[in-house]
Amino acid sequence: EDQVTQSPEALRLQEGESSSLNCSYTVSGLRGLFWYRQDPGKGPEFLFTLYSAGEEKEKERLKATLTKKESFLHITAPKPEDSATYLCAVQAAGGYQKVTFGIGTKLQVIP
Amino acid sequence: NAGVTQTPKFRVLKTGQSMTLLCAQDMNHEYMYWYRQDPGMGLRLIHYSVGEGTTAKGEVPDGYNVSRLKKQNFLLGLESAAPSQTSVYFCASSARTGGTNTIYFGEGSWLTVV
Repeated sequence: EDQVTQSPEALRLQEGESSSLNCSYTVSGLRGLFWYRQDPGKGPEFLFTLYSAGEEKEKERLKATLTKKESFLHITAPKPEDSATYLCAVQAAGGYQKVTFGIGTKLQVIP
Repeated sequence: NAGVTQTPKFRVLKTGQSMTLLCAQDMNHEYMYWYRQDPGMGLRLIHYSVGEGTTAKGEVPDGYNVSRLKKQNFLLGLESAAPSQTSVYFCASSARTGGTNTIYFGEGSWLTVV
């Protein structure tokens, strides 16, 4: 069974204090690993797709990296507007519906 | 940019009542999905569709039915609502590509069953 575990469950940072969110996964035949951002009362918003170990993607203050067992979402010098829940998901081989989501990390950035 | 649109956004039902959640996407995506999101649990797939006129069961299909009569629309029905179906429901869609499946979500529908 495919599994995604995100840590920590919640993270509180001061503005400008860089940190990383972790996504550990087990999947049968990884097709892709996804990061989403979810604001309160909204649907998840797509951020990145990573396909293979060693790959990195960046967007503004966010950088996602991938190894064979986990992915990290690095947040550099965060701002209050980065506050959100960040979801990780993995797609397994065998069908487009085989996407497993983690519970998410709730990030709060304090001014 | 509409993307994926869901209606209604909020609804309160009494146990045993029925209702339909409506979803429309304007991205010409082949695949559409209905997920539910509950506290302490990740998004769970209820039903999905790989094209117009097709539907299939996901991880938690019991108590729900779906229909996809048009490519751009995907309907989720609750025939006899139960308190356990109190949740946030997300419709989503994705394109048919060769490899990975980037899923785009709607804004959500908050359903309370009393």
